[in-house]
Parts: sequence; structure tokens; C-alpha cells
Amino acid sequence: GQNIDQPTEMTATEGAIVQINCTYQTSGFNGLFWYQQHAGEAPTFLSYNVLDGLEEKGRFSSFLSRSKGYSYLLLKELQMKDSASYLCAVMDSNYQLIWGAGTKLIIKP
Amino acid sequence: ETGVTQTPRHLVMGMTNKKSLKCEQHLGHNAMYWYKQSAKKPLELMFVYNFKEQTENNSVPSRFSPECPNSSHLFLHLHTLQPEDSALYLCASSQEDQSAKLFFGSGTQLSVL
Repeated sequence: GQNIDQPTEMTATEGAIVQINCTYQTSGFNGLFWYQQHAGEAPTFLSYNVLDGLEEKGRFSSFLSRSKGYSYLLLKELQMKDSASYLCAVMDSNYQLIWGAGTKLIIKP
Repeated sequence: ETGVTQTPRHLVMGMTNKKSLKCEQHLGHNAMYWYKQSAKKPLELMFVYNFKEQTENNSVPSRFSPECPNSSHLFLHLHTLQPEDSALYLCASSQEDQSAKLFFGSGTQLSVL
């Protein structure tokens, strides 16, 4: 079966750095996506990786290793507004999106 | 206006009621989706419409009935639901139906009593 694993919950301190990991086993691979979802709000697109390596976008970076079936989302200089759930999703060979259950990130002052 | 608008935001219904969820997108996209989001579970794709034609139905029970009258509007008609159907129902749109860059609405939080 197809599976996406990510931690259920993480806690970090304002101003610090946090890394949210995602591992996947899917039938083929057509890209990995990260979405951010604040409580009671719509998920919003954060990043897309299809080749190995690091993609940086401001305070957020996303890394992919296809051979290891692994990705992480790195958040730097954490702000209170970064408290949210972070969803990892992989597009398989049939262009179906396989979703993880999400990681709830709690930022403390 | 936001890109994807869903109404109502909250809905409480009994198991014998009939209600409808509405979604409207203002982004000029061709594909629209219904997802179910339950606490601590992955998003579950329910239905996909591409150019108003249903292209995907992920074995969803018939008590959920989608309708897509045009590329901008999507409905989910609900009848004789069960308590386990209580969840957040999210609508999304994308430029084409194989795009993962989805634009989501804020969802309808549904409670079935």
C-alpha cells in the first residue's frame, strides 16, 4: 500500500529552527508537496520538490531525497504565526495525491 | 474575495436531514475537488471534476452526491448521513486535474447528530 509518515505533533520556540520530516512509500513519484494549514483555515501551498536537493523560499526550505523516500520542511526564525499543521503529500505514478496526516507545530514564546 | 469560497462554514444536521454544501472558485480553474478531512487522518479525496465532468469517485457512499453545474461551482448534496461522516469538508480547485498545486476553501465543519 501507499503510505506517508510524518510526526503528529512538534513543539518549538519562537526564533528557533524546526525540521518536520516526511517519509513516503508510493507507487511511483511525480513530486512532493508541502501545505500549511492554520486552525480553521484552508490549506495553502508551500513548496514543491521533484528533484533531489534543497529548495529555499524565504524562511522556509524543503528538501527531497528520492532514493530514501524522504523529505523535510525546514522553518527558520520561527514566528508565532507559524503555529499550524503542515501537510506532506506525494503525487504517485497515476498523478494521484497521497497525503500524510499532517504535523501540528506548536510555537512557544 | 478569496479564491475559493465555501458555504456554510459550519453545519449541524440530523441523520434524516438533507443539506447541501456549496463551493465557488474565482480563479478560472478547470478542475474542482471535494476532500474529507478528519482529525489526525490524511485528507481523503472524494470527487474530482474536470471541465464539469466527473473524473473521479473514490468509492464514496451514495449518501454523498456531487454536482458541478459549471467550472466555477461545485456542490455536495448530503442525505441520511451517519455520525461518522462528521468531519471538515474541503473544496479545492486547480488549473488542471493532474495538478497538485491546489487552492483550497476554508471548509465546512459538519457535525451529524
